[in-house]
Amino acid sequence: QVQLVESGGGVVQPGRSMRLYCTASGFTFNSSGMHWVRQAPGKGLEWVALMSYDGRLKYYADFVKGRFTISRDNSKNMVYLQMNSLSAGDTAVYFCAKGPPVGALEYWGQGTLVTVSS
Amino acid sequence: SFVLTQTPSVSVAPGKTARIACGGDDIGTKSVHWYQQRPGQAPVLVMYYDRDRPSGIPERFSGSKSGNTATLTISRVEAGDEADYYCQVWDSNSDHYVFGTGTKVTVL
Repeated sequence: QVQLVESGGGVVQPGRSMRLYCTASGFTFNSSGMHWVRQAPGKGLEWVALMSYDGRLKYYADFVKGRFTISRDNSKNMVYLQMNSLSAGDTAVYFCAKGPPVGALEYWGQGTLVTVSS
Repeated sequence: SFVLTQTPSVSVAPGKTARIACGGDDIGTKSVHWYQQRPGQAPVLVMYYDRDRPSGIPERFSGSKSGNTATLTISRVEAGDEADYYCQVWDSNSDHYVFGTGTKVTVL
């Protein structure tokens, strides 16, 4: 069955960087678009970024403002989110999700919590 | 930027019908997808391309769209349907995914 497992979250100081990881299994990873979506405590879902199956298409939410970078390694079935210049407003659970660039998000991981605090 | 607006909360008695609305400009030209998120859990896709149900989603869930509003309908509501529900579209003008503001469904 499809499994998406996020890792790399934790507590980070404002202005610092953090890299999130998503390990995928149970489907043909190199044929699948991948996304990051976040959810601040008590708030709604907020799309962060997507990457096409081959890495050619990358789109980001406006709030990213060049601070975040999505990437993938199809040989390892992994997708990454490099986050720089973090601020308190980036505190959230970050979900990895599988889905085509313009379609529905078919499967989601359980998420990893990022807390930006001094 | 494109905005999807949902009613913040809906309350429904067991066995009755819940209707969750999602409004946005030109939503009629976009495909709408719906997610269910139970407390403390990851979202689950319950409807895609306006009215298609993924495997494993009960037939009690249905989707429709009219004018500038998409609707997720839950018939014969059960206690297990209590959750937050989000609509979502792809906005081709901005190349962004957009989620609705979310609706909390409470089963009385």
